[in-house]
Amino acid sequence: AQKVTQAQTEISVVEKEDVTLDCVYETRDTTYYLFWYKQPPSGELVFLIRRNSFDEQNEISGRYSWNFQKSTSSFNFTITASQVVDSAVYFCALSEAPGAGSYQLTFGKGTKLSVIP
Amino acid sequence: EPEVTQTPSHQVTQMGQEVILRCVPISNHLYFYWYRQILGQKVEFLVSFYNNEISEKSEIFDDQFSVERPDGSNFTLKIRSTKLEDSAMYFCASSRRQGGEQYFGPGTRLTVT
Repeated sequence: AQKVTQAQTEISVVEKEDVTLDCVYETRDTTYYLFWYKQPPSGELVFLIRRNSFDEQNEISGRYSWNFQKSTSSFNFTITASQVVDSAVYFCALSEAPGAGSYQLTFGKGTKLSVIP
Repeated sequence: EPEVTQTPSHQVTQMGQEVILRCVPISNHLYFYWYRQILGQKVEFLVSFYNNEISEKSEIFDDQFSVERPDGSNFTLKIRSTKLEDSAMYFCASSRRQGGEQYFGPGTRLTVT
C-alpha cells in the first residue's frame, strides 16, 4: 500500500530564512511518481513538481528546490529566502505506475508553513 | 492558460438531498479524478475516470456516489443522499497522460446541514 508521511505538521520561519519540508514515502512499486502541491489560504491546490522514480536528479526552480533520494525514500522540498507569499499548506503526494491502479494521488497530511515578516 | 473549473463554489444542502457537483476539465486531458478534503485534513482520492468509465474508486466512493461525463466537456459527481459527514471540499482534477501531473480545480465546498 502507498503511504506518504509528512512529519512536520507546522513550521514557522522568519522571512528570508531557508526552510525544508520533509516527505517520506512507501511503495512496493519500482516505478512511481512523486509530486508536491501548494494549498494557499484561498484553498486551491497548485501543482509544483512531478518526478518519476527513475529520475533522481535534484531540481531547482527559482527559490524552490527538490531533493529526491530513493535510498531513503524521501522527496524533500526546500524554499530558499522564504517570502510571506510562501505561507501555505504544502502537500507531498505519490502515484503508482501502470498496472497498479489509475494513478490516483495519495497525499500526505501536509505541512503548514507560516512565513513571518 | 487552460484551467480546470468547478461549479458551484459553495453548495449548502440538507441531509438526504441529492447534489451534483460540476467540473470542466482541461480540454485535451483524458484522465479525470475527484478528491475530497474534510476541513483541516488531507486530500483523499474518491474516483478516477478514463474512456467513459470508472477506472478506480476508493472505499469512500460507495453506492451513494456516482460520476458521469455527460458530454465532451463536463464531468460530474453526484451524491444521491447526502450525509453530514459528506461536508467537505470536493476537488476535480484532470491529467493529460497516465501518471502525469494532475491539475486541480478551485473546489466546491459542500456543507450538509
